[in-house]
Amino acid sequence: EDQVTQSPEALRLQEGESSSLNCSYTVSGLRGLFWYRQDPGKGPEFLFTLYSAGEEKEKERLKATLTKKESFLHITAPKPEDSATYLCAERGGSEKLVFGKGTKLTVNP
Amino acid sequence: EAGVTQSPTHLIKTRGQQATLRCSPISGHTSVYWYQQALGLGLQFLLWYDEGEERNRGNFPPRFSGRQFPNYSSELNVNALELEDSALYLCASSLDDRGDGYTFGSGTRLTVV
Repeated sequence: EDQVTQSPEALRLQEGESSSLNCSYTVSGLRGLFWYRQDPGKGPEFLFTLYSAGEEKEKERLKATLTKKESFLHITAPKPEDSATYLCAERGGSEKLVFGKGTKLTVNP
Repeated sequence: EAGVTQSPTHLIKTRGQQATLRCSPISGHTSVYWYQQALGLGLQFLLWYDEGEERNRGNFPPRFSGRQFPNYSSELNVNALELEDSALYLCASSLDDRGDGYTFGSGTRLTVV
């Protein structure tokens, strides 16, 4: 069965301290690698979709990259409002998305 | 454009009862997906409906069921509730062949006591 593993489970950063979140997946025939942001008690909010190795997408302080078995979410100079749980998901042969457990990011002022 | 709407926001039920959760997708979206997010377990796929038909089902017992109506809204029913069914239930919708993932609702928080 397809698996998505995210690391670290939790990450604490100081405001302005850049870092990266990791997402590794096992599916062959990837039909999309997705990143979402989830705030407490809310539904996930779509951030990015990546389709092929080498692809990159950016949005404000976030940049997502994709290799053949991993994706990274780079956070540059984060602010407290970037605090959230970041979820990674892959879509393989079936239409459903398979999610990782997420990385809980806390950015301290 | 209205997003995915779910009701109720919160639901408290007693063990053994039945719960019904509702979802209205974004206008024009024909696919509806249900996920369970229990504490510490991440999002677990429950059901996928498209054009009124159940297309795929996750590893959940048959007491989790649902349906999709002609207007593409959807219902999730959970029978014989157990304490471990307490979770955030999320509904998402997408166009059938859209490549940018799902749009999620805010969820229904189900508490079984």
